[in-house]
Amino acid sequence: KNEVEQSPQNLTAQEGEFITINCSYSVGISALHWLQQHPGGGIVSLFMLSSGKKKHGRLIATINIQEKHSSLHITASHPRDSAVYICAADLNSGGSNYKLTFGKGTLLTVNP
Amino acid sequence: DTEVTQTPKHLVMGMTNKKSLKCEQHMGHRAMYWYKQKAKKPPELMFVYSYEKLSINESVPSRFSPECPNSSLLNLHLHALQPEDSALYLCASTKRGAGLGTEAFFGQGTRLTVV
Repeated sequence: KNEVEQSPQNLTAQEGEFITINCSYSVGISALHWLQQHPGGGIVSLFMLSSGKKKHGRLIATINIQEKHSSLHITASHPRDSAVYICAADLNSGGSNYKLTFGKGTLLTVNP
Repeated sequence: DTEVTQTPKHLVMGMTNKKSLKCEQHMGHRAMYWYKQKAKKPPELMFVYSYEKLSINESVPSRFSPECPNSSLLNLHLHALQPEDSALYLCASTKRGAGLGTEAFFGQGTRLTVV
């Protein structure tokens, strides 16, 4: 079982809809990252969370440490939001190196 | 400057060629990473450099040879690759590598095709 699970794997929405992508993890973490990757492109860091909630424009990320769960919300979705959204956890490895454990990603398609 | 710059963006190489991928950041980050990403899969960690020293090698074949000449630059030297090595190679950097939850910055990647 992957230590970081994302759902759904694929999501199709109409422009303007509110979107939620979920991420759950099974071990302790130092931080959780939400990343965005457009087809064939590089990765952009959207948020890094260790507690609470962060907002940037139409994007909101929340994390519940007790429940080991995070969500990424997109309000008023737009076709340009179409991308793969990846949840990645910085696990409490106890060592001196930084390793991200990635979820499998959610492919979001927003239709006009 | 909050960018990680990777060159080249695309590379086609034969199985007998020697080539290098380059990654550069000027954010003062002291940890730099190489990831390999196959289509529709999450990135897989290959190497981590922390303070210019190799600290993680995820059992990567020796045909991939990383190098960190200084704190801003990370190279990946390629030799005698196989077609299955074709992938997107991503570089990333973080302020430090102590597992304390630091923001990761990724480059746009080099799309490598081995023919």
